[in-house]
Amino acid sequence: DTGVSQNPRHKITKRGQNVTFRCDPISEHNRLYWYRQTLGQGPEFLTYFQNEAQLEKSRLLSDRFSAERPKGSFSTLEIQRTEQGDSAMYLCASSLGQGIAYEQYFGPGTRLTVT
Amino acid sequence: KNQVEQSPQSLIILEGKNCTLQCNYTVSPFSNLRWYKQDTGRGPVSLTIMTFSENTKSNGRYTATLDADTKQSSLHITASQLSDSASYICVVSVSQAGTALIFGKGTTLSVSS
Repeated sequence: DTGVSQNPRHKITKRGQNVTFRCDPISEHNRLYWYRQTLGQGPEFLTYFQNEAQLEKSRLLSDRFSAERPKGSFSTLEIQRTEQGDSAMYLCASSLGQGIAYEQYFGPGTRLTVT
Repeated sequence: KNQVEQSPQSLIILEGKNCTLQCNYTVSPFSNLRWYKQDTGRGPVSLTIMTFSENTKSNGRYTATLDADTKQSSLHITASQLSDSASYICVVSVSQAGTALIFGKGTTLSVSS
């Protein structure tokens, strides 16, 4: 399977714990995006990388959230001191470049439940 | 404020029937408009992308229209199939960079036999 993959697919954690999600983009895609989607809502942009550089962060990305893409390939999204409001689907997408010619391909998402 | 509004919120149709989903946006500067299909528990999959100069674009049984003057778009599904049951999300790109994507809440379509 050469699509975008995300792990784990589901994560249940207790409030206050730290969690880390992984995204493996399509090979050779230099752009990688993270989104958050809550029930009944469309995805909301969190951050994106061009290769290993994090170029943009949304206001939604509080200081408890950190994302990395150390070698310009896979990326991790860590949430520290999780809160119940962090419960959502976290989607990763990748693209070959920017603009309309470069479609964003989404992974299946990681569903986080904070109890 | 950049917003994308979709209607109806949900829709139930019989297999084989046609349907049209609506999208209104207040996004500036507008770059392009996309329709995505999202199956339950899966990531969105792109159906169409249109720039402001395009009025219509088809992808199989899916036809999207765009009126950049009225800032409205529609997605028409012809001869619906059970597999069309999903959420359909309208997404507007604010800039050529494509990073600033504004997503609608989606229309949940249920196709029954």
